[in-house]
Amino acid sequence: QVQLVESGGGVVQPGGSLRLSCTASGFTFSSYAVHWVRQAPGKGLEWVALISHAESEKIYADSVKGRFTISRDTSKNTLYLQMNSLRPEDTAVYYCASGILWGQGTLVTVSS
Amino acid sequence: SYKLTQPPSVSVSPGQTAKITCSGDELPRQFAYWYQQKPGQAPILLIYKDTERPSGIPERFSGSRSGTTVTLTISGVQAEDEADYYCESSDSSDSYVFGDGTQVTVL
Repeated sequence: QVQLVESGGGVVQPGGSLRLSCTASGFTFSSYAVHWVRQAPGKGLEWVALISHAESEKIYADSVKGRFTISRDTSKNTLYLQMNSLRPEDTAVYYCASGILWGQGTLVTVSS
Repeated sequence: SYKLTQPPSVSVSPGQTAKITCSGDELPRQFAYWYQQKPGQAPILLIYKDTERPSGIPERFSGSRSGTTVTLTISGVQAEDEADYYCESSDSSDSYVFGDGTQVTVL
């Protein structure tokens, strides 16, 4: 079954760190560009970051630049989003997406 | 920063046609994508590269472009089409952006 499954969400204090994972099954992840997209509660979609299929490009939204890092481990068919210096406004459901395929999301809550 | 502009809401009667616009200065040079999202669910890609429809997406969904505006058309709207719809595109630096979304209400 072709799918993406995110994990790693949770509750973290402001200033803290969290690493999200997105594991692909049923296809080879490394052949495709992959995005992270987030959605704050009751709000619209916000694009977060992109990694190209060859990892030659890693592009970030201004709102997370310098704090978030996108990477992937091809041996594990897994994408990561390392999130540092988290702020309350980073609270959202985080989705990974590749082409037509989206995961179901993982919730990150930044709160003291 | 780059912005895509969508109407906040569109209302349509069953069987009629709904048109959702998305405007942005870079749209003549960058592809647009359209997503449908229902409450509590992940988005679904409806249209890619302005006009292409992934397999499994009903033919009543179509995309078009004219200048700085792209349009998602839903022909013969059904009750199940009630959802939020988002356009997405990129700017000249290959950063992506979503429109604020359009809530479609089926009367």
